[in-house]
Amino acid sequence: QKEVEQDPGPLSVPEGAIVSLNCTYSNSAFQYFMWYRQYSRKGPELLMYTYSSGNKEDGRFTAQVDKSSKYISLFIRDSQPSDSATYLCAMSAVGGGNKLTFGTGTQLKVEL
Amino acid sequence: DTGVSQDPRHKITKRGQNVTFRCDPISEHNRLYWYRQTLGQGPEFLTYFQNEAQLEKSRLLSDRFSAERPKGSFSTLEIQRTEQGDSAMYLCASSLGNSPVSGIETQYFGPGTRLLVL
Repeated sequence: QKEVEQDPGPLSVPEGAIVSLNCTYSNSAFQYFMWYRQYSRKGPELLMYTYSSGNKEDGRFTAQVDKSSKYISLFIRDSQPSDSATYLCAMSAVGGGNKLTFGTGTQLKVEL
Repeated sequence: DTGVSQDPRHKITKRGQNVTFRCDPISEHNRLYWYRQTLGQGPEFLTYFQNEAQLEKSRLLSDRFSAERPKGSFSTLEIQRTEQGDSAMYLCASSLGNSPVSGIETQYFGPGTRLLVL
C-alpha cells in the first residue's frame, strides 16, 4: 500500500464548477501538506501548503487538512479552462531534509 | 529566468549507455533534491543535498545511480548502464530550507529531463 493515495481521475468538469480533489495518507509523521499543479511536460509548481490540521484559502483555492482522518482536500471555486492540469498532493514529515511524498496526481479538465 | 533549470530537457539513449543530467538550482538555495516521475505517477524522491553534502538517498537509487553537488551549486545525476526501466522524467528541485517563520520548506521544481531508454 502506498503512503499517499490519490484518485488519478481523469476528472472533467464544466467551467465555473467547484472542484474537489482529495488524498488520503497512512504515515502519521506527515505534518506539512502541499498541493502542486503540473501542466503537461512541465515541472510541478506549488499552489498551496498547510501545516498540521486546518483550512487555508488563497483566491479561488482552499486547502483542508484533517489529520485525525488522514485526509486532505483541495477545492477550486469557479474553475477555469486554465485550471486544466494534473494536481498532485505532497506531504513531508517534520525535521531533516523535507523530502516530499507525492500522490499519483489527479488529472483535471475544465471544459468550456 | 531565475528558476531551476535542467539540461538536457530530453535524452534518448540505448540500453547499456551512461547518461548524465545537470541541474542548476535557484541562486543561494542550499538544498537540492532529485525526484523521478514515471508516466501516470507522482514524483518519487531519489536523493537530496544540503550544500555539497548528500544527506539522504532513497532505496530507489541503485548503485548505477550517482549524484554530486561538488561546490554546493549545480548538481549532476549520472545513470550508468541504463535499463529500459530507467525511462522517466527526472526532476530537480531546490529550496532555502525551512522558513524560520512558518516552518514550511518550499521546493521549486525545474522543468525536468525526460529520459527514454531504447
